[in-house]
Amino acid sequence: KQEVTQIPAALSVPEGENLVLNCSFTDSAIYNLQWFRQDPGKGLTSLLLIQSSQREQTSGRLNASLDKSSGRSTLYIAASQPGDSATYLCAVSDYKLSFGAGTTVTVRA
Amino acid sequence: DVKVTQSSRYLVKRTGEKVFLECVQDMDHENMFWYRQDPGLGLRLIYFSYDVKMKEKGDIPEGYSVSREKKERFSLILESASTNQTSMYLCASGKDPNYGYTFGSGTRLTVV
Repeated sequence: KQEVTQIPAALSVPEGENLVLNCSFTDSAIYNLQWFRQDPGKGLTSLLLIQSSQREQTSGRLNASLDKSSGRSTLYIAASQPGDSATYLCAVSDYKLSFGAGTTVTVRA
Repeated sequence: DVKVTQSSRYLVKRTGEKVFLECVQDMDHENMFWYRQDPGLGLRLIYFSYDVKMKEKGDIPEGYSVSREKKERFSLILESASTNQTSMYLCASGKDPNYGYTFGSGTRLTVV
């Protein structure tokens, strides 16, 4: 059974700092890895999708890397803003999605 | 953009009631999923469907059933709601696992 772990569980940084969120998974037989954002009481918004054959994916201030052989992914958010405050979830897909518990980020103005 | 619509944002139901949670997607996706999300337990898969009238149990199907009579609609049914089914319910859909999945905005269900 796929196990997905996210470290740290929570992170608080001043505005402008770069954010580094980590995700690890136990089974490397995956289609892809998806990073989501969740605001309190809301659904999940997809941020980035990295195919199993890719090493990284970028969108604006967001960059995600994937090392399938070691079972790791990292989400970088450059120059954080208060609007980046949310919970970030990583999910690996072997058809079904298996989720980590998330990292709750607070960006202080 | 893909739209996944969950019919209710908030629901309050009584113990023992039969509850229907509806999810509709507008992109002709084959695959649809129901998850529940609880503090400390994360997101857990209840049921999924890869085609009309096809369904598979996820990790926590007990107390739930599903219906998929049309491709665009996937319903989650609580046959006799219990207080331990109070949770946030999230629906997702996708054409192919290689393209990722899109989630709805969630239904917060409270069973009293």
